[in-house]
Amino acid sequence: EAQVTQNPRYLITVTGKKLTVTCSQNMNHEYMSWYRQDPGLGLRQIYYSMNVEVTDKGDVPEGYKVSRKEKRNFPLILESPSPNQTSLYFCASSPREGNTIYFGEGSWLTVV
Amino acid sequence: GESVGLHLPTLSVQEGDNSIINCAYSNSASDYFIWYKQESGKGPQFIIDIRSNMDKRQGQRVTVLLNKTVKHLSLQIAATQPGDSAVYFCADVRSNDYKLSFGAGTTVTVRA
Repeated sequence: EAQVTQNPRYLITVTGKKLTVTCSQNMNHEYMSWYRQDPGLGLRQIYYSMNVEVTDKGDVPEGYKVSRKEKRNFPLILESPSPNQTSLYFCASSPREGNTIYFGEGSWLTVV
Repeated sequence: GESVGLHLPTLSVQEGDNSIINCAYSNSASDYFIWYKQESGKGPQFIIDIRSNMDKRQGQRVTVLLNKTVKHLSLQIAATQPGDSAVYFCADVRSNDYKLSFGAGTTVTVRA
C-alpha cells in the first residue's frame, strides 16, 4: 500500500527543546516536502526536496531544518521550537514526473 | 505576490444538490491545478487535476473547470452526499519544481 508515514502524530513539547518529526514514503518518490497548516492560512510549504541531498526552502522555512540522506526519508527538525510553531504538519511526496501528490496523515505539534 | 485563493470559506449544501466551489489564482505560469479534499483529522486527498491547456475535466461525480482568461478554477460535485462534507483546497503547481501553492480552503457542509 502506497503510504507516507509521519511520526509522531501528536506531540506536546516545551519551548527550546529540539524535536524531529520523521517522514517516510514507500513509493520510491523523488520529490518530498513539508507543509504546515494553520487556520485561515491553508497549507504553506516549509521545505522541499527534489532528490537525495537536494533540499530547498519553501515559503515559511524559518525555525526549521530538513535533511534528505536517503530517498525514502525526509525528517523535519525544529532545533529550538517556539510557540508560534504550534501547528499541524504534513509531509508529502510525489514522483518526479506525475501529478499525484501523496500526503501523510499529519502531525499535531503543540509548543508550550 | 502570486497566490491561489478560494472565494468563500464556507459552503452549505442540501444533500442531493450540486455543489460548486470556486478558486481564483494569479500565477499565470502554473502548469496545472489540483483539487484536494481534507476530512477532519486526515491529510489532503487528491480529487482531480487539470492541466493549463485544458478547460474541463470530469471524474466520478466531480468536474473541474478552468477559465484561464479570468484565472478562475471551479470544482463541481454532483448529487452531494454527506460523505462530501470536508474542507476543499485548490492548488496550483509549478512544473519546474512541483511546488504546490494552496488556497485557504472552503469548508463544505452537507445538510440532510
